[in-house]
Amino acid sequence: GIQVEQSPPDLILQEGANSTLRCNFSDSVNNLQWFHQNPWGQLINLFYIPSGTKQNGRLSATTVATERYSLLYISSSQTTDSGVYFCAVSGTYKYIFGTGTRLKVLA
Amino acid sequence: DVKVTQSSRYLVKRTGEKVFLECVQDMDHENMFWYRQDPGLGLRLIYFSYDVKMKEKGDIPEGYSVSREKKERFSLILESASTNQTSMYLCASSLVGSTQHFGDGTRLSIL
Repeated sequence: GIQVEQSPPDLILQEGANSTLRCNFSDSVNNLQWFHQNPWGQLINLFYIPSGTKQNGRLSATTVATERYSLLYISSSQTTDSGVYFCAVSGTYKYIFGTGTRLKVLA
Repeated sequence: DVKVTQSSRYLVKRTGEKVFLECVQDMDHENMFWYRQDPGLGLRLIYFSYDVKMKEKGDIPEGYSVSREKKERFSLILESASTNQTSMYLCASSLVGSTQHFGDGTRLSIL
């Protein structure tokens, strides 16, 4: 089955810093999503991005499907960005999640 | 906005009990999913359904069953709960080939 690897596993930033999170996947996919899991366990959908680039405020994402990776950019980080960021991919119905990047933003 | 509602935020049950976790979505989505999340293992798919009365096993279906009698509702059943089923359970729904939307999760403890 498809393998999904996320890096780095852990990241600590000072408020205001920028960061890049990476998601590599082992096979071609039709669907790719980025999620943020907040400290209360809620999974928030950030981007549905099987290819191309999207931006939403301080966050943007790029997926290069032919090279099997996706990047999530966080600019001017805030303490509320803390949590775990997951990448999930699928060929058809079944999504495979990476193990996440745990981000802590310090005030 | 899509709303996916899970019946309980926290639940405590005893080993051997039959446990029902309910999930309801309000956006007429074809697909519904049940995951469990454990530290260090990420989210793992238990079962999914792509239509009423249709279901497919995910990666870890053992010890679980599901029911989808109506399009908006997808139930996860632990036939005889065991302590290794203590976990966070997350339900999601989506249109075909589109964004998954998650409920708030149920933290289930089996004593």
